[in-house]
Amino acid sequence: IQLTQSPSLLSASVGDRVTIACRVSQGISSFLAWYQQKPGKAPKLLIYAASTLQSGVPSRFSGSGSGTEFTLTISSLQPEDFATYYCQHLNSYSYSFGQGTKLEIK
Amino acid sequence: EVQLAESGGGLVPPGGSLRLSCVASEFTFSNYNMNWVRQAPGKGLEWVSSIGSSGSIIYYADSVRGRFTISRDNTKNSLFLQMNSLRVEDTAVYFCARSKPFDYWGQGTLVTVSS
Repeated sequence: IQLTQSPSLLSASVGDRVTIACRVSQGISSFLAWYQQKPGKAPKLLIYAASTLQSGVPSRFSGSGSGTEFTLTISSLQPEDFATYYCQHLNSYSYSFGQGTKLEIK
Repeated sequence: EVQLAESGGGLVPPGGSLRLSCVASEFTFSNYNMNWVRQAPGKGLEWVSSIGSSGSIIYYADSVRGRFTISRDNTKNSLFLQMNSLRVEDTAVYFCARSKPFDYWGQGTLVTVSS
């Protein structure tokens, strides 16, 4: 299973609403998670089962989709949100990641 | 607070071997699937291997199958990754992570494969 994120690089400003897409090569129902990673740090789980917010994650983060098309939305960017985001499928016998989307300050 | 601490990384020549460890604390280790994920310098995340709670179910990425072996010791709250026939392209920070989805991660241990 291949995961393709778009865009690979996203420039935005504090307060913006942004959306990151993840396209999967075959249907995976809702077996998709999103992670945030900051430089030199371990990834952090944001969303699982495509749309369920992990405990402690701010409500400005949301996820949607099923099958082969998924999105991560940040409703109003905060300074601490500038990071790299990865989708991951959790179906079948492998748990591969997308290539990542780097969210940078415009 | 759940904690995962990796160790065992270092510099190894191509063709060499290395064994990584991940010690877990503050949760019932034997109840959870565990995973290894790696990240080459400046690159994205790559899933490496997963093991079920009892150790009877194991999955590997194609890139490491036949060279790497995942195992666990539930009596010692420990996860392992035995890496043999190492290649330059195995150079990465190796993270252990809990469960599915991967809800807690260690800070990683750096493996450098170079002559």
